[in-house]
Amino acid sequence: IAGITQAPTSQILAAGRRMTLRCTQDMRHNAMYWYRQDLGLGLRLIHYSNTAGTTGKGEVPDGYSVSRANTDDFPLTLASAVPSQTSVYFCASTGTPGTGELFFGEGSRLTVL
Amino acid sequence: QKEVEQNSGPLSVPEGAIASLNCTYSDRGSQSFFWYRQYSGKSPELIMFIYSNGDKEDGRFTAQLNKASQYVSLLIRDSQPSDSATYLCAVWARKDSNYQLIWGAGTKLIIKP
Repeated sequence: IAGITQAPTSQILAAGRRMTLRCTQDMRHNAMYWYRQDLGLGLRLIHYSNTAGTTGKGEVPDGYSVSRANTDDFPLTLASAVPSQTSVYFCASTGTPGTGELFFGEGSRLTVL
Repeated sequence: QKEVEQNSGPLSVPEGAIASLNCTYSDRGSQSFFWYRQYSGKSPELIMFIYSNGDKEDGRFTAQLNKASQYVSLLIRDSQPSDSATYLCAVWARKDSNYQLIWGAGTKLIIKP
């Protein structure tokens, strides 16, 4: 089934631990995004990638890193998790860069204790 | 002033009535406007986009754009209980030195049978 796959679906993590959220798409979209969604704050962009080999910082990049080695994969890494990173994380992609026509993964719910 | 503002709701509408969701934005140079629907515990999905002033209809949904007043709205005719969800407004606008999708925090819509 075409789309975006995120893993894990849910994770509880001790503060200070390293965590990588995985995102894979099979639509051959060039642009990919990582958002976090917190109650009352809406979606906030963490990092983005317009094409394989390039990445950029979004609104809330601190504490997160990404890589884009190929078109399909866009992992998000928390080097040393803190409780304020407790959130729902969504990966998204678009085949029409420069627009807001995004496809979203199902999300990863992360709790940092 | 937030860049994209929505009333958080909840907005309660009787089944069969018209639901009207509103969104205002601050960047006068914005060109593209999007409505996403997000069911509880699920990821956002694109339901409408509009680029030009006026109305755009798709089935029971109508998007309305007024660039002079800097607002965009979504009308849902013949509301059904399955329309109960949070509706996110997003605007493609300049933020810092880049264009990116700016999100409202969403309006929760409840359709009462």
